[in-house]
Amino acid sequence: QVQLVESGGGVVQPGTSLRLSCAASGFTFSNYGMHWVRQAPGKGLEWVALISHDESNKYYADSVKGRFTISRDNSKNTLYLQMNSVRAEDTAVYSCAPEGGVTTPGGMDVWGQGTTVTVSS
Amino acid sequence: SYELTQPSSVSVSPGQTARITCSGDVLAKKYARWFQQKPGQAPVLVIYKDTERPSGIPERFSGSSSGTTVTLTISGAQVEDEADYYCYSATDNNLRVFGGGTKLTVL
Repeated sequence: QVQLVESGGGVVQPGTSLRLSCAASGFTFSNYGMHWVRQAPGKGLEWVALISHDESNKYYADSVKGRFTISRDNSKNTLYLQMNSVRAEDTAVYSCAPEGGVTTPGGMDVWGQGTTVTVSS
Repeated sequence: SYELTQPSSVSVSPGQTARITCSGDVLAKKYARWFQQKPGQAPVLVIYKDTERPSGIPERFSGSSSGTTVTLTISGAQVEDEADYYCYSATDNNLRVFGGGTKLTVL
């Protein structure tokens, strides 16, 4: 079945780095642009980054631009988020989702359960 | 910066119509999506392209658009519709933005 599984979260100190992964299965991953979205504890959804299906275009929220890098490996059906110089305000559950519709037209119709990143000294 | 503005909360009784608005300049040029999120669960797409409903979403969910405002309408809201709702859109420079979210209470 169609599935996204995020991993790589944990507790890290401010200023350090972390790499998140999102493993896709059940659909042709290489056909879809992919997003990272995060949600801080008790807060709303925040869009983080988008990468095109062929990695030719990447877009970032102002809050992470210059610190985070989105990438993908279509041979491994995996999306990545390299997080550098992390800050306390990066503490959140990070989830991935496709731009286009996988199971139904409209896009962002499949989500993982997310991986939790906690930035604390 | 690009912003989408939603009311923080909306409350209706079961069977009433709930309307949640989302305002932002980008909405005059870009389509909106609406997501429903229940506690501890991943978001679920309920409306795309302002007015389209994905298969499997109940007909009581509908979307509309006028100028810089889009509206999610739940006709005959049910207790199980109680959730947080987020609007979402693209921006002129290909970024994306979520609204702040609206907590819908049905009681």
